[in-house]
Amino acid sequence: EVQLAESGGGLVQPGGSLRLSCAASGFTSSSYAMSWVRQAPGKGLEWVSVIFSGSGGSTYYADSVKGRFTISRDNSKNTLFLQMNSLRAEDTAVYYCARNFRYFDYWGQGTLVTVSS
Amino acid sequence: QSALTQPASVSGSPGQSITISCTGTSSDVGSYNYVSWYQQHPGKAPKLMIYDVTNRPSGVSNRFSGSKSGNTASLTISGLQAEDEADYYCSSYISSSRVFGGGTKLTVL
Repeated sequence: EVQLAESGGGLVQPGGSLRLSCAASGFTSSSYAMSWVRQAPGKGLEWVSVIFSGSGGSTYYADSVKGRFTISRDNSKNTLFLQMNSLRAEDTAVYYCARNFRYFDYWGQGTLVTVSS
Repeated sequence: QSALTQPASVSGSPGQSITISCTGTSSDVGSYNYVSWYQQHPGKAPKLMIYDVTNRPSGVSNRFSGSKSGNTASLTISGLQAEDEADYYCSSYISSSRVFGGGTKLTVL
């Protein structure tokens, strides 16, 4: 059974950093593109970043996080990461990881990130 | 990376059919047959309902169907049931990125 489990969310001050993790099970995540998608409280879904499969694993980011967030993966641990730096109040959201084809077929339960002083 | 345009809300009575539109541009919806739709109940993760415009994943009711014309995709739910009440989001593939619609709240009267 395919499962994704995010962790690492919490309360952080503006300008701070946080690292989210997404543990995959039931499939080999390195063989798939994986994305982070976020949802601000009461708002819609926003795609954040994708890392593609294969050697090198190309990465892409939404303009809103480019230069501040870094997506990566540890294939030995079947785990996806999102390093978030220079956090802003508008980054407050539930962050989901999702397996990514031309669509998102499996999603985790999400982890809440709150940026506030 | 502008969001796709969806109506904020739609409603229907049990047994009726409703359609949710998703309007993009010739750079996203109009360029690819890779529109997907997601259902999200409060406090839950999104669930894939339609992919590649018209395809249903295993386990999704055949009451859900998708279509596309030009830059606009649509999700139709027939035989509305109380459990269909949720938020619905469309998404389009755009090569190296993805874009979502703003979401539509479906109310079953």
